[in-house]
Amino acid sequence: GAGVSQSPRYKVTKRGQDVALRCDPISGHVSLYWYRQALGQGPEFLTYFNYEAQQDKSGLPNDRFSAERPEGSISTLTIQRTEQRDSAMYRCASSPDRGRDEQYFGPGTRLTVT
Amino acid sequence: AQKITQTQPGMFVQEKEAVTLDCTYDTSDQSYGLFWYKQPSSGEMIFLIYQGSYDEQNATEGRYSLNFQKARKSANLVISASQLGDSAMYFCAMRDVDAGNMLTFGGGTRLMVKP
Repeated sequence: GAGVSQSPRYKVTKRGQDVALRCDPISGHVSLYWYRQALGQGPEFLTYFNYEAQQDKSGLPNDRFSAERPEGSISTLTIQRTEQRDSAMYRCASSPDRGRDEQYFGPGTRLTVT
Repeated sequence: AQKITQTQPGMFVQEKEAVTLDCTYDTSDQSYGLFWYKQPSSGEMIFLIYQGSYDEQNATEGRYSLNFQKARKSANLVISASQLGDSAMYFCAMRDVDAGNMLTFGGGTRLMVKP
């Protein structure tokens, strides 16, 4: 079956612009996680959802970052007024049962803010 | 707070030999999970193996095994019979059961397999 998909795969934007990153999890997966990965480092947690409810957003760096999953499936991570320090790989992962099993990662969106 | 430490930034191994990638963790939780992921140059994150804190036996998945030493808080990945395709970044991660099951990752080890 299809894995986790993310779009766009690459996004170049100018500082100050808003961007929306999309994640389509594996069908039926309950939990959806967003991570951010800087070059040469491991992913860092941003936020996660069980179904449509955002359970924890403690990893979001500041209030320019927000996420939603309105119908409990596709999720969007939005970054407002982008800054160069936001440049990173943004990864989405889904898990079938509230994260008690392994998390399956998508290919990521490489965001570059110029 | 949780912490995952991978002390080997890079390692070389000869093809067909075994290699151990180190991972130590720090947690006060009794229930947790430990994972290893592989990230090849293509950038994808590939799940390799999982060990639960209450599992008495070390996890194995094909050529991958996890050397779990709970008292030492270590969860080393052993790759047997290395192949050229094993060259990649390897990340150790811990699942925080009490905080929503998000994963905390170590800094990674870059493994290079020599022909």
